[in-house]
Amino acid sequence: QKEVEQNSGPLSVPEGAIASLNCTYSDRGSQSFFWYRQYSGKSPELIMSIYSNGDKEDGRFTAQLNKASQYVSLLIRDSQPSDSATYLCAVKGSGGYQKVTFGIGTKLQVIP
Amino acid sequence: DAGITQSPRYKITETGRQVTLMCHQTWSHSYMFWYRQDLGHGLRLIYYSAAADITDKGEVPDGYVVSRSKTENFPLTLESATRSQTSVYFCASSELNTPQRYGYTFGSGTRLTVV
Repeated sequence: QKEVEQNSGPLSVPEGAIASLNCTYSDRGSQSFFWYRQYSGKSPELIMSIYSNGDKEDGRFTAQLNKASQYVSLLIRDSQPSDSATYLCAVKGSGGYQKVTFGIGTKLQVIP
Repeated sequence: DAGITQSPRYKITETGRQVTLMCHQTWSHSYMFWYRQDLGHGLRLIYYSAAADITDKGEVPDGYVVSRSKTENFPLTLESATRSQTSVYFCASSELNTPQRYGYTFGSGTRLTVV
């Protein structure tokens, strides 16, 4: 079992719809969770972080965390073609060193 | 310009050669990291550094060497390049002393091809 699992996609949504990106993790002691956006040929960019169960909203983005189910998700409302990118889920586990594990990413395509 | 810069952007080298990838940040961030990104594997940590002269291994350190004599620089050296080290390499730094809480800022990456 991978430490951080994401469906690689592609996930296709029409412009204006809600895109839902999902991530599961195996380390029950994980404390910090991140979403990065990576455009093709570019470097990852941090867009959201979440530490507590529940929802965290920032503009059109909402991160959701459920530690009991070991599940974190990212919702993008009013999806735009410019949101087309790969979204990486990253998890800080309970390990003793500074280890953040990344998922392989979900490719999102927003269709105009 | 402020930020985190990597050089070179692209590099082609031959098997067995030594190659060094450079990373420079202007924020005086304590933590710096080297990741490689490969299709199907995502980002994997090679080495990290908590401060000048403090480095430690990550998930895939074999065949790599790092140093950090100055806070702003964190070079990554492939001692004897192999084809399996063909990858995109990202350097990252963290704003605060708890990078696990505040996330990373990544450099633009180096695409390395070993032939």
